[in-house]
Amino acid sequence: QQQVKQSPQSLIVQKGGISIINCAYENTAFDYFPWYQQFPGKGPALLIAIRPDVSEKKEGRFTISFNKSAKQFSLHIMDSQPGDSATYFCAAKNSGAGSYQLTFGKGTKLSVIP
Amino acid sequence: EPEVTQTPSHQVTQMGQEVILRCVPISNHLYFYWYRQILGQKVEFLVSFYNNEISEKSEIFDDQFSVERPDGSNFTLKIRSTKLEDSAMYFCASSGDRNTEAFFGQGTRLTVV
Repeated sequence: QQQVKQSPQSLIVQKGGISIINCAYENTAFDYFPWYQQFPGKGPALLIAIRPDVSEKKEGRFTISFNKSAKQFSLHIMDSQPGDSATYFCAAKNSGAGSYQLTFGKGTKLSVIP
Repeated sequence: EPEVTQTPSHQVTQMGQEVILRCVPISNHLYFYWYRQILGQKVEFLVSFYNNEISEKSEIFDDQFSVERPDGSNFTLKIRSTKLEDSAMYFCASSGDRNTEAFFGQGTRLTVV
């Protein structure tokens, strides 16, 4: 029940296209859903995060869509650029239970080709 | 921009040896974490540390692991007797508050041979 399932495992998108990565969770107590971006040899860096009281959050070219009833959330990268090529992890946290840990998905390796 | 720094960037050790991975969290942060990432797999939570004690740990964090904040700036992860399966990238993270963003360091790649 603590798992976060992420798909696809890898994604190839043309420059200028839309990249879409999906995540699903089981634990309805999760109340914080961040997305992390990781470049090779670097640590994960927070990209954007959402809480379940909103259905969408947009920051620049990055948008999280959140569907509470379906227990799913997704990351959309508009106008994808080669510099967006990285591994993306969704994560979830149950901060209300006093938990400190982030539960991560398995990651999606995004390649944006010119 | 403040950042979490980790040393060393790469550590090779023989099976059965003790290793200490070091981290300097962001200076005004109060919550500290260790995560690990086995090659090609997801990032996994190990432990969180607040107010000089472990606040939460995962089932991975068994008796072979310990954490310490030996002074006002460093946060360490010790693995007492390393196993081959401990080979992974270990990430330290810190946050100012339990419910705010955790900032990750660049990681220490531990290779157990």
